[in-house]
Amino acid sequence: NAGVTQTPKFQVLKTGQSMTLQCAQDMNHNSMYWYRQDPGMGLRLIYYSASEGTTDKGEVPNGYNVSRLNKREFSLRLESAAPSQTSVYFCASSPGGSEQFFGPGTRLTVL
Amino acid sequence: QKEVEQDPGPLSVPEGAIVSLNCTYSNSAFQYFMWYRQYSRKGPELLMYTYSSGNKEDGRFTAQVDKSSKYISLFIRDSQPSDSATYLCAMSPTSYKLSFGAGTTVTVRA
Repeated sequence: NAGVTQTPKFQVLKTGQSMTLQCAQDMNHNSMYWYRQDPGMGLRLIYYSASEGTTDKGEVPNGYNVSRLNKREFSLRLESAAPSQTSVYFCASSPGGSEQFFGPGTRLTVL
Repeated sequence: QKEVEQDPGPLSVPEGAIVSLNCTYSNSAFQYFMWYRQYSRKGPELLMYTYSSGNKEDGRFTAQVDKSSKYISLFIRDSQPSDSATYLCAMSPTSYKLSFGAGTTVTVRA
């Protein structure tokens, strides 16, 4: 039982490049989330998916897109990376409510 | 003004001391309250989860919620060096969106 897994662990991009962050959970949870964590800012919600087939914007969605591929997988795409998107990205899942379980994170640097 | 305020610290205590952490919030609709622990370069892990007001105890950890004052606390008794981490409070009204505090960094000195 791996919980929530994320790939890659680290990534360096140049401004304007695109990439997709992958997330998968094996807990049969309905809801999945993408957050970014910046120093002094705490965790901020980018997008979430309350259930398979639905996605909604969070607090900071600009510059990102998401896909809920199936119940297990939820990906985050940066179409044209900007230095302001340098951050640590966390995926989380929840059985459907407020208890959320987090992955190990992806450290992204945009030059 | 942020919806959830948390003193970032840092907080440094000797081993065996009681660690006291707190958050204040402005949204009276919050019903669910959580504390997460995050070790350096790791993902947050759920530590305590409480609904509405009151106290909850789990081993050395006690969470308190005072909705009338919009104030939540986490106490760690008999603190250990392994408790050194960043502690994040989080809260939610009724469903999916959590609002997080910025986190308090705690160091327990051996």
